[in-house]
Amino acid sequence: GAGVSQSPSNKVTEKGKDVELRCDPISGHTALYWYRQSLGQGLEFLIYFQGNSAPDKSGLPSDRFSAERTGGSVSTLTIQRTQQEDSAVYLCASSLGITDTQYFGPGTRLTVL
Amino acid sequence: EDQVTQSPEALRLQEGESSSLNCSYTVSGLRGLFWYRQDPGKGPEFLFTLYSAGEEKEKERLKATLTKKESFLHITAPKPEDSATYLCAVYTGTYKYIFGTGTRLKVLA
Repeated sequence: GAGVSQSPSNKVTEKGKDVELRCDPISGHTALYWYRQSLGQGLEFLIYFQGNSAPDKSGLPSDRFSAERTGGSVSTLTIQRTQQEDSAVYLCASSLGITDTQYFGPGTRLTVL
Repeated sequence: EDQVTQSPEALRLQEGESSSLNCSYTVSGLRGLFWYRQDPGKGPEFLFTLYSAGEEKEKERLKATLTKKESFLHITAPKPEDSATYLCAVYTGTYKYIFGTGTRLKVLA
């Protein structure tokens, strides 16, 4: 079946604007993850959803970041009042459960001017 | 603080020249160690999961091993198509995965 999809693939925005990034996980996967990958850096864990619930939001970098998941499927990562340091590739992954294999989407490259 | 360190940062090999990548970790309790391959402009692709010291897994030219302090990804007789960034990650049971910064591998024909 289809893999994890993310949209948009690229987003260029101006400092101070809000952005929404979307993730469509593999059907039937209850676990969903958001990561941030900055140039030359490893993947930074942002948040994990089990179903529609996020047990731990402490990985979100600031209160400008929020995420939700509806219907146990699609997830949206919202960044308010974007800053230049938010520029990165945002990756989404899904799995059957938290210790199972994660399947990653292609990512959204965010550039904040 | 839980930490994952990968070495070397970059590695250039001639085709057929075997080598190993290292992933060392300092965590409170390891529930799983994962290896991924990432090609430019793409998301990571799963390779292996290791759960306990002494465990080994193989796939084609790759073999992953695990001790109580580190994991190795051995690449035997690599080919140019093995060129990629190799990432390791650990899960400690706290809803978070901790990734290393990766090893960029370039295999020359």
